[in-house]
Order: sequence, then C-alpha cells, then structure tokens
Amino acid sequence: AQSVTQPDIHITVSEGASLELRCNYSYGATPYLFWYVQSPGQGLQLLLKYFSGDTLVQGIKGFEAEFKRSQSSFNLRKPSVHWSDAAEYFCAVGATGANNLFFGTGTRLTVIP
Amino acid sequence: GAVVSQHPSRVICKSGTSVKIECRSLDFQATTMFWYRQFPKQSLMLMATSNEGSKATYEQGVEKDKFLINHASLTLSTLTVTSAHPEDSSFYICSAMESYNEQFFGPGTRLTVL
Repeated sequence: AQSVTQPDIHITVSEGASLELRCNYSYGATPYLFWYVQSPGQGLQLLLKYFSGDTLVQGIKGFEAEFKRSQSSFNLRKPSVHWSDAAEYFCAVGATGANNLFFGTGTRLTVIP
Repeated sequence: GAVVSQHPSRVICKSGTSVKIECRSLDFQATTMFWYRQFPKQSLMLMATSNEGSKATYEQGVEKDKFLINHASLTLSTLTVTSAHPEDSSFYICSAMESYNEQFFGPGTRLTVL
C-alpha cells in the first residue's frame, strides 16, 4: 500500500526567501505524485504533478518539484516566497494516475514580512 | 481550468437530522467523483469513490448506510449524512475527475452538528 510522509508540520519563512517542502512516499511501483495547496476553509488546488519523464516538474505560481526515485522523495521548491503563498501544502501519491490519491498530513507554511 | 462547486458551503444541523451536500462539475463531465473528509489540521481521508450510474465504493471503516452517495449524472454527486451526530462534524470535500490525469476539488462544506 502507498503512504506519504511530510516530515514538517509547520514551516515559517521570510518573504523573499527560498522554500523547500519535503515529501517522501512509499509505493512499490512507479508512483504518480502530486502537490496541492489549500487556503483556509478552501478546497485544494493542484500545483504540479509528476507522471513520468523529466524528473524536474514545473508548476503554477513559480513552484517546482523534483522526483528522486533513489530517495523516494518529491520535494516542492520555490526560489522566492510571497506572502500569498501562506497556506497548507499537501503531497499526494496515486497508484493509477489521479485515481485513489493518498495524501500526506500536510505542511503549514507561514510567511513573515 | 475545470471548476467544481459544492453546496452548501456551511451547514449547521441538529443531532439526528440528515444533511445533503451537492457536488457539481460545472464545465466538464466527471467520470468519477470522490468524497473526502478532513478533520481540523489533518489530511484528507478518502471516504468513497463514485462513478455515474453505479454504486459508490466506500473505503474501509466508512459506514455506507450513514454516508449515502448518489452519482446521478456526469455532473452531479450528492453526499447525504443520515442521522447526523456531533462526531460527524467535519469539513467535507468532493473532487471530480474527467480523465485519469487530475482530480479537481470543490471548495468544501463545513458541517457542524449540534
């Protein structure tokens, strides 16, 4: 069975600083990987996804993520954080595309001026 | 991008009553819809998967007689919480999938049972 670990419950960064959110997965086959963002009281918005091919994936809002099979990781990065990036971020893994997604516990991002 | 709506956004009900939540895909036909439950400051837990015209598939531990799901058309799925109790209070989120590529999520429904 698949599982997702987001080791950081809460991260605080200064506006303009770089960001990396960690995600480790466990899955026997090649996973389908996703990063979602959730603002308070809202649904989830897809930032980016990895299905196959280039292991560095570009997403919306200036985010990118790198799939590292050897480390079973799919970390999310942004070179310069904006105050509007403050939100909850979820990593998810799917067995067959976006079907049956399994979510990590999330990382809450706080951005300080 | 594809838009998924949920109605109502918030609902407060008395213990023992039933509550229906609607999930609609506004600009695409959803072959599959999903219902999730999210407790405060926790992740999303998949409750059930529904395909249009067929019975929903419930995850282990989810009571299908308590959480009734109907996927009557390619654009509408409903979740009915029957005989709601305070422990059913939660944030319920639906999502819809047109192809296997992506789930599009609704804005969620906050249910409070008094």
